[in-house]
Amino acid sequence: GAGVSQSPRYKVTKRGQDVTLRCDPISSHATLYWYQQALGQGPEFLTYFNYEAQPDKSGLPSDRFSAERPEGSISTLTIQRTEQRDSAMYRCASSPAGSGRPSNTGELFFGEGSRLTVL
Amino acid sequence: GQSLEQPSEVTAVEGAIVQINCTYQTSGFYGLSWYQQHDGGAPTFLSYNALDGLEETGRFSSFLSRSDSYGYLLLQELQMKDSASYFCAVRDMWGAAGNKLTFGGGTRVLVKP
Repeated sequence: GAGVSQSPRYKVTKRGQDVTLRCDPISSHATLYWYQQALGQGPEFLTYFNYEAQPDKSGLPSDRFSAERPEGSISTLTIQRTEQRDSAMYRCASSPAGSGRPSNTGELFFGEGSRLTVL
Repeated sequence: GQSLEQPSEVTAVEGAIVQINCTYQTSGFYGLSWYQQHDGGAPTFLSYNALDGLEETGRFSSFLSRSDSYGYLLLQELQMKDSASYFCAVRDMWGAAGNKLTFGGGTRVLVKP
């Protein structure tokens, strides 16, 4: 697509419920990233994919969080047994594969985010 | 651990110049990026420095000193539309496997008439 698309834009759920957030990256981009952003703070890394491989999931806060990108395009982030502290904006970003050149800026293209509220 | 420090807020008038400093301590360093985020919007890329020195893009310039683990973003000829949050971000991984960024807490810039 023309840009990174995320859905739903807003999700309100009750504590203990599972939620799944979806990201549709720019079609030519190999890498996809998930970030969590609290209000007034910078994005915090959760995990990323290189095509369907998930080389780094070190930022996932607990084993309740998981992400998939089975066909190397669309990705989902699932939070099981949600807690109030999970309330945040979840942002997806995509980027072309690294070119191996220092001049590659590594620009991330962010989606509009999914705002999760856990009651 | 990874840490990036930048001021929380800066206020200036239209037409002025603002400098946002960023100091970092990260396990890996392959470059410093700057992103702009308007309220309710997504972060958007402004600039990137892989090597020491100044990069200029229109009214915005970014500087990097790797030996000092320091960089800054310079906003010139401030306009009302520049009111936003600005984040520095360290590229702590680089290559075909990805471009992982660690972000600072952001500097909120308020431009007054």
